[in-house]
Amino acid sequence: LAKTTQPISMDSYEGQEVNITCSHNNIATNDYITWYQQFPSQGPRFIIQGYKTKVTNEVASLFIPADRKSSTLSLPRVSLSDTAVYYCLVGFFYSGGGADGLTFGKGTHLIIQP
Amino acid sequence: NAGVTQTPKFQVLKTGQSMTLQCAQDMNHNSMYWYRQDPGMGLRLIYYSASEGTTDKGEVPNGYNVSRLNKREFSLRLESAAPSQTSVYFCASSEDDSNQPQHFGDGTRLSIL
Repeated sequence: LAKTTQPISMDSYEGQEVNITCSHNNIATNDYITWYQQFPSQGPRFIIQGYKTKVTNEVASLFIPADRKSSTLSLPRVSLSDTAVYYCLVGFFYSGGGADGLTFGKGTHLIIQP
Repeated sequence: NAGVTQTPKFQVLKTGQSMTLQCAQDMNHNSMYWYRQDPGMGLRLIYYSASEGTTDKGEVPNGYNVSRLNKREFSLRLESAAPSQTSVYFCASSEDDSNQPQHFGDGTRLSIL
């Protein structure tokens, strides 16, 4: 089971780029890295997923170094509405093989200030 | 687009009562999941169903049962509710069980007195 470590909280300001790093030293060969965002009183929302190198979509980028022992979620030009909890999940989920890839840690509480 | 719908949104039970939490998805997804989230904590997997007709235990299955009624619906039952089961319960679905992104409902807030 690939255990993840994230900062408990982070602060930033509107318009800044925010980078949240997740450590996963014992990541396995088949493991994917997935990030979710959660607002109060809502279910988590998928942000981005990657296996290696860099992945970018319309809301974020995910940087994964060659050793894959960490990953960094990058949010460009944040706004107040990006204040939320961000979860990093690492693992591989398949039927009959267990649900290691579905382990949410405590996440990172990101607070964006004006 | 309804996505994942959970009912009820709120419920208060007395210790020992039973209850079924309902979940339905309209995205034709094969896999469905039940999580619980306690204050200040991340989500913990209770049960999951990789496909219609199959269910498997997650991290915290004790005290719960599930039924994958059909492809759309996945219910969670508390047979004899305990105060330790006070939590917010989230249902989720994904296309299949190969690391596809999960889509979550808005949760059921359950208090057990």
